[in-house]
Amino acid sequence: ETGVTQSPTHLIKTRGQQVTLRCSSQSGHNTVSWYQQALGQGPQFIFQYYREEENGRGNFPPRFSGLQFPNYSSELNVNALELDDSALYLCASSFGTSNTGELFFGEGSRLTVL
Amino acid sequence: AQSVAQPEDQVNVAEGNPLTVKCTYSVSGNPYLFWYVQYPNRGLQFLLKYITGDNLVKGSYGFEAEFNKSQTSFHLKKPSALVSDSALYFCAVRDGEGYSTLTFGKGTMLLVSP
Repeated sequence: ETGVTQSPTHLIKTRGQQVTLRCSSQSGHNTVSWYQQALGQGPQFIFQYYREEENGRGNFPPRFSGLQFPNYSSELNVNALELDDSALYLCASSFGTSNTGELFFGEGSRLTVL
Repeated sequence: AQSVAQPEDQVNVAEGNPLTVKCTYSVSGNPYLFWYVQYPNRGLQFLLKYITGDNLVKGSYGFEAEFNKSQTSFHLKKPSALVSDSALYFCAVRDGEGYSTLTFGKGTMLLVSP
């Protein structure tokens, strides 16, 4: 069974640039969620994709956008990067959208914005 | 709105002693509660969850958690701590009424000394 994989693991950008983070979901999972974990904080929900449609979004501005592909992999795009976007970005997969199911996380992409 | 509080930034315990990591929650409906662990520079790993039934839930690596509805708490416990248990622990909650995202606490660092 293949777990959740994310790329890149680390990257450095400058303010105003754009970034794309990628995630491959665990085998058999059709739902992907993205979380932002700032230093010293718990993960904050960005959005969730189910069957290629966004079906939930947290309190993040529109410059945070995403995609889910037919193979259930996903991308997180952030435009016009700000210093406060520096964080660990976590992707999590699950099967379906049941409230009872646990999420399976990747190891994250650490973004530094200078 | 749902929320989670982890009142301790850090918990220190000697190896072999019992440990408790505290969590309280707030939801409008029935709570679905989760514990995750995060090792340095890694993603989150699922430990255990409470959905319904027995208030004492057993999970991975010898951890267990006790659900207390009257105190709105879901404390993580282990009878005998190991040095390898040292990590960052997150409590998370979903509201059982309708669709709900997973909301995390800010985390508690557990340090187990030899």
